[in-house]
Amino acid sequence: EIVLTQSPGTLSLSPGERATLSCRASQSVSSSYLAWYQQKPGQAPRLLIYGASSRATGIPDRFSGSGSGTDFTLTISRLEPEDFAVYYCQQYGSSSFTFGPGTKVEIK
Amino acid sequence: QLQLQESGPGLVKPSETLSLTCTVSGGSISSESYYWGWVRQPPGKGLEWIGTVYYSGSTYYNPSLKSRITISVDTSKSQFSLKLSSVTATDTAVYYCARILVGWDAFDIWGQGTLVTVSS
Repeated sequence: EIVLTQSPGTLSLSPGERATLSCRASQSVSSSYLAWYQQKPGQAPRLLIYGASSRATGIPDRFSGSGSGTDFTLTISRLEPEDFAVYYCQQYGSSSFTFGPGTKVEIK
Repeated sequence: QLQLQESGPGLVKPSETLSLTCTVSGGSISSESYYWGWVRQPPGKGLEWIGTVYYSGSTYYNPSLKSRITISVDTSKSQFSLKLSSVTATDTAVYYCARILVGWDAFDIWGQGTLVTVSS
């Protein structure tokens, strides 16, 4: 099973700042199968990025994904008030899915 | 616009079987562009994949839960279902059903989730 590690656990930033979230895999992941989600309290997760770098429908362009192999990054170029949430990465391989433990982006 | 809705008991006794159904509306459950899955989230914790099902009935399960899971699909009702047997308190979670993009294997549309509590 591929294990995903996300860092940092919590990111304290102010609106307007840049957020850089990391997702590291225990073994190589195909870029086609790396996704990022946003989850706010009491809500279902929302797909932001699939295929490591493709934005899902309706996702603002301040969200971008990059990376390959075992290291992937989600960048939020300028944080808006609605962006403070928990972010999860997810991988697919060998007919199995795993999620990272999440990074909480909180208001500083 | 496609929507997913989970339904089922919110309280299950220990050792019994948890049963949930996800109803798909506003789109076809039989599309070859998508397949379907279950994800759960214990209170205050992260996301855990449970299993997936294709409209053909093919299934894949989380190895850690495989011995207790059955996922099935009923295309005539536009529904897919989850059964989790021999539940314990550690199975208490919000259970989500979701649509998965074929080829990208990302969960692009989610139900609102339903809290299932395991307690006597």
